[in-house]
Amino acid sequence: DAGVTQSPTHLIKTRGQQVTLRCSPKSGHDTVSWYQQALGQGPQFIFQYYEEEERQRGNFPDRFSGHQFPNYSSELNVNALLLGDSALYLCASSPGTAYNSPLHFGNGTRLTVT
Amino acid sequence: AQKVTQAQTEISVVEKEDVTLDCVYETRDTTYYLFWYKQPPSGELVFLIRRNSFDEQNEISGRYSWNFQKSTSSFNFTITASQVVDSAVYFCALSGPGFNDMRFGAGTRLTVKP
Repeated sequence: DAGVTQSPTHLIKTRGQQVTLRCSPKSGHDTVSWYQQALGQGPQFIFQYYEEEERQRGNFPDRFSGHQFPNYSSELNVNALLLGDSALYLCASSPGTAYNSPLHFGNGTRLTVT
Repeated sequence: AQKVTQAQTEISVVEKEDVTLDCVYETRDTTYYLFWYKQPPSGELVFLIRRNSFDEQNEISGRYSWNFQKSTSSFNFTITASQVVDSAVYFCALSGPGFNDMRFGAGTRLTVKP
């Protein structure tokens, strides 16, 4: 039973560029959430997708956008990259949007912006 | 405000010592859930336990135990007879109907030395 998978593992981009990160949820899960984890900090919520729509959003600018596909996989897009966007981006899946569901996380994508 | 505070940034112990990781939370919700996650160097957050706000019974799972006290808004995590494999960053998290995401603390880095 495959868990949450994310790609790529590492990514180096230049300031101003755009990046797309990908996530496949755990089998049986239909909800995907994205988190940003800066070095030495806890994960910060970016947004959540369910039924191919953005359901919830954290305090992140519109440069951060996403998409969910019919097979429940998801993409996170970040435009006009800033140095401060350097972080570990974590994808988490859950069976539904209920707030009491534990999140299952992938290994993350380490983004470095130079 | 809905937030989680983990005051201990780093803890270092010698193998076989007991160690307690502190977690204090704030929320206006009367119903909420608390979680603990472990993040090994691989980056993936691993779910350890979930506790709802109406269940203050302490829980023990092998070498792990959790002490939930609503009166002090705390949900502490104790590892008995620590092992080197317990070395990781541990996160306490909070979720509830009044907010749209799972809120994480800043994490406690535990190092267990042989």
